Amino acid sequence: AQTVTQSQPEMSVQEAETVTLSCTYDTSESNYYLFWYKQPPSRQMILVIRQEAYKQQNATENRFSVNFQKAAKSFSLKISDSQLGDTAMYFCAFMTDSGYALNFGKGTSLLVTP
Amino acid sequence: SQTIHQWPATLVQPVGSPLSLECTVEGTSNPNLYWYRQAAGRGLQLLFYSVGIGQISSEVPQNLSASRPQDRQFILSSKKLLLSDSGFYLCAWSVQGNEQYFGPGTRLTVT
Repeated sequence: AQTVTQSQPEMSVQEAETVTLSCTYDTSESNYYLFWYKQPPSRQMILVIRQEAYKQQNATENRFSVNFQKAAKSFSLKISDSQLGDTAMYFCAFMTDSGYALNFGKGTSLLVTP
Repeated sequence: SQTIHQWPATLVQPVGSPLSLECTVEGTSNPNLYWYRQAAGRGLQLLFYSVGIGQISSEVPQNLSASRPQDRQFILSSKKLLLSDSGFYLCAWSVQGNEQYFGPGTRLTVT
C-alpha cells in the first residue's frame, strides 16, 4: 500500500518570504505521479503542481516549485514570494501509473501573515 | 474550458434518510469521474470511480453507492444515511494524464 506523510501540521510565513512544505511517501512502484493540491477556506481542491516520477527535472509553476528526491521518496513544495492568498491547507498526493486513486497526506495548514 | 458542478452545496439530513448528490462535468467527453470523501482534519479518501457510462468501481465498502447514467453525470446515493456518513464530498474528473480536477464539494451533516 502507498502512504503519504506530511510531517508539518501547521506552518506560518510572512508575506513575500519563502516557505517549504515537506512530503514523504512510500511505494514499491517505479512509475507514479506526485501532486500538490491547495484547499483554501472555500474547500475546493485546486491543483498546484504535478511531477512524474520518471522525470528528473523538478516541476515549476510560477511561484511554486518542487524538490523531488526519488531515492529518498521525498517531494517538497517551495512557495516563493508568499502572498496572503496562499493561505490554505496544502495536500501532497500520490498516484501509481496504473491506478485511479489519489492517495492523500493529512495536509499542512499554511498561514501567510502580513 | 472544462467546468465541474456539484449540488447541493450543503445538506443536513436525518439518520435513516436517503441521499442523492449530483456531479456534472462540462466541456469534455468521456471523462473519468470520481467521488471522494473528506473527514474533518484529514485528506481525501476515494469512494468510487468510473471510466465510462454504467461502469462503477468501489474503493471502500460502505453505506453508499454510485451511478453514472450519462457520460458527464455522476451520482452518489444512499438508501439510509448513518451518522458516520457526515463529511465533505468532492467529485473530480480527469481525462488524459493523471491530474484530477475537483468540484466545489458538498458538506453533508447527518443528524
